Amino acid sequence: DGGITQSPKYLFRKEGQNVTLSCEQNLNHDAMYWYRQDPGQGLRLIYYSQIVNDFQKGDIAEGYSVSREKKESFPLTVTSAQKNPTAFYLCASSFGTGVTNQPQHFGDGTRLSIL
Amino acid sequence: DAKTTQPPSMDCAEGRAANLPCNHSTISGNEYVYWYRQIHSQGPQYIIHGLKNNETNEMASLIITEDRKSSTLILPHATLRDTAVYYCISTDEDYGGATNKLIFGTGTLLAVQP
Repeated sequence: DGGITQSPKYLFRKEGQNVTLSCEQNLNHDAMYWYRQDPGQGLRLIYYSQIVNDFQKGDIAEGYSVSREKKESFPLTVTSAQKNPTAFYLCASSFGTGVTNQPQHFGDGTRLSIL
Repeated sequence: DAKTTQPPSMDCAEGRAANLPCNHSTISGNEYVYWYRQIHSQGPQYIIHGLKNNETNEMASLIITEDRKSSTLILPHATLRDTAVYYCISTDEDYGGATNKLIFGTGTLLAVQP
């Protein structure tokens, strides 16, 4: 089945540690996105990528890094510079760059907590 | 900031139609309205989207007013499994249309009652 796979489902980070969240899609989508969701709030955009080897900062990129070496994959690294990393992280993908009528499809998220 | 406003919560009886309102008075002419829903601890699920015409799919109907300042999502026969937070979202022209940036607000918690 086509879809977006995020792993792991739960992740724990120690203080000062970098962690990487995986996102893979087999929908042949060009664009991929990372969002963060805090309790009782909507989603906020961290980074997005419209094409392989290209990505742009979203609204809350500080303390995060990404790469887009393959069309199918868009991993997110939460660095030690992110002082409040505890959140629910969601990856999404969509067809179409340069158009605004293509829905994004989401994975089931990774819940990151600090030990 | 979110460009849409929704009531924080609504109730609906099982088997009845659920009508979820959304105001988007500042939406521009080429910005779509999207509806997603999120069940606790899962990723948002795409429901439907539209520009100015009413839309219908297997999940729901979307009614957009002629002036495009508001819309209503209709779930024709709500079930207990439709209990979720429903987000009404518009895209963001600040990104120059280069990507489908979705501006999420806090949504409407729809509680379907047995």
